[in-house]
Amino acid sequence: ELKVEQNPLFLSMQEGKNYTIYCNYSTTSDRLYWYRQDPGKSLESLFVLLSNGAVKQEGRLMASLDTKARLSTLHITAAVHDLSATYFCAVDDGGATNKLIFGTGTLLAVQP
Amino acid sequence: DTAVSQTPKYLVTQMGNDKSIKCEQNLGHDTMYWYKQDSKKFLKIMFSYNNKELIINETVPNRFSPKSPDKAHLNLHINSLELGDSAVYFCASSPMSNYEQYFGPGTRLTVT
Repeated sequence: ELKVEQNPLFLSMQEGKNYTIYCNYSTTSDRLYWYRQDPGKSLESLFVLLSNGAVKQEGRLMASLDTKARLSTLHITAAVHDLSATYFCAVDDGGATNKLIFGTGTLLAVQP
Repeated sequence: DTAVSQTPKYLVTQMGNDKSIKCEQNLGHDTMYWYKQDSKKFLKIMFSYNNKELIINETVPNRFSPKSPDKAHLNLHINSLELGDSAVYFCASSPMSNYEQYFGPGTRLTVT
């Protein structure tokens, strides 16, 4: 059974600093997604990673996928307050149904 | 135009009642999903339909019954509501397998 773990669960960081959120998963998959959720809001798609070595960047966020290590990272560069949110990774279980298993989420709080 | 919409946004009801949540997507997608997000923000897939056919049916109580009258709509009916059913329920859709899922705004269900 596919399990997805994120760490840290909570991250408090200062504006201007860099940090990385990690997403580990337990069985083979080559499709991984990152979502953002603001308090009381829906999930917003950030990145779709569909192959080993995939790297995508949008603004201050960069996501990568290493399918051999079963690891994805979400790197934050020079954090700003607007990035405060909960970030989820989700892994496709590799079946034909596009079933996503979500990580526990990382609550990011960027302090001024 | 809202891509994935849900009604109602909030639902407060008493134990033992029966309620329904409706979802509609205007993206032309073939696949729709229901997720439950609990108080700890953990997200779990419940059901998925592809072109009106049930393709994911996770281990949920049979008090929960999805219905898809057409590929643009997926409703969730819950019988005999219990306190533990209190959560946020998200509908999502995707164009086909292997693509990201687009989430609706969520329905916050509170059972008293």
